[in-house]
Amino acid sequence: RKEVEQDPGPFNVPEGATVAFNCTYSNSASQSFFWYRQDCRKEPKLLMSVYSSGNEDGRFTAQLNRASQYISLLIRDSKLSDSATYLCSLNQAGTALIFGKGTTLSVSS
Amino acid sequence: DVKVTQSSRYLVKRTGEKVFLECVQDMDHENMFWYRQDPGLGLRLIYFSYDVKMKEKGDIPEGYSVSREKKERFSLILESASTNQTSMYLCASGPDEQFFGPGTRLTVL
Repeated sequence: RKEVEQDPGPFNVPEGATVAFNCTYSNSASQSFFWYRQDCRKEPKLLMSVYSSGNEDGRFTAQLNRASQYISLLIRDSKLSDSATYLCSLNQAGTALIFGKGTTLSVSS
Repeated sequence: DVKVTQSSRYLVKRTGEKVFLECVQDMDHENMFWYRQDPGLGLRLIYFSYDVKMKEKGDIPEGYSVSREKKERFSLILESASTNQTSMYLCASGPDEQFFGPGTRLTVL
């Protein structure tokens, strides 16, 4: 099983800032990609899937770069409520999801 | 909405006890998973199942077993609990992306 790597942070940003996280993976056979959000002492919750063409959901944009083997998550106009740990994950055919260790975001007023 | 439930939120057991953690999902998913999550180590896959009575070892199966007698239910068993099994245990289900239960925080004394 190949690793998924994330910068653990923490990323400390003021409200309104734009912040981006990257996640690199080593297995080019990876097929599906996801971003999860995890609040302290809670379970991970699916934030968004990541498609080759990139996808956007409100203030959140996810992109996949297969050539360089990374996925990214961009958060615009950060809110206090965005403070959490963000986990990237990927699926290789026939196996379970592999998760990164997460990037911690702290948004302050 | 997908709902994944776990039998207990908090559990305290003694070394050597047999521990059962139960997970139920209501979305007719074939795939179900058990993870443990520890600070600095991220989510680690213990076992997963692609169908009733099917099971596959994950990255850290030692000290654990599982049971999948019905499609909606996936049980994790600690045959003889040890202190190093103190952790947050998370169950998940899903066809590709995964949906997590609320977790069971197990303490082994």
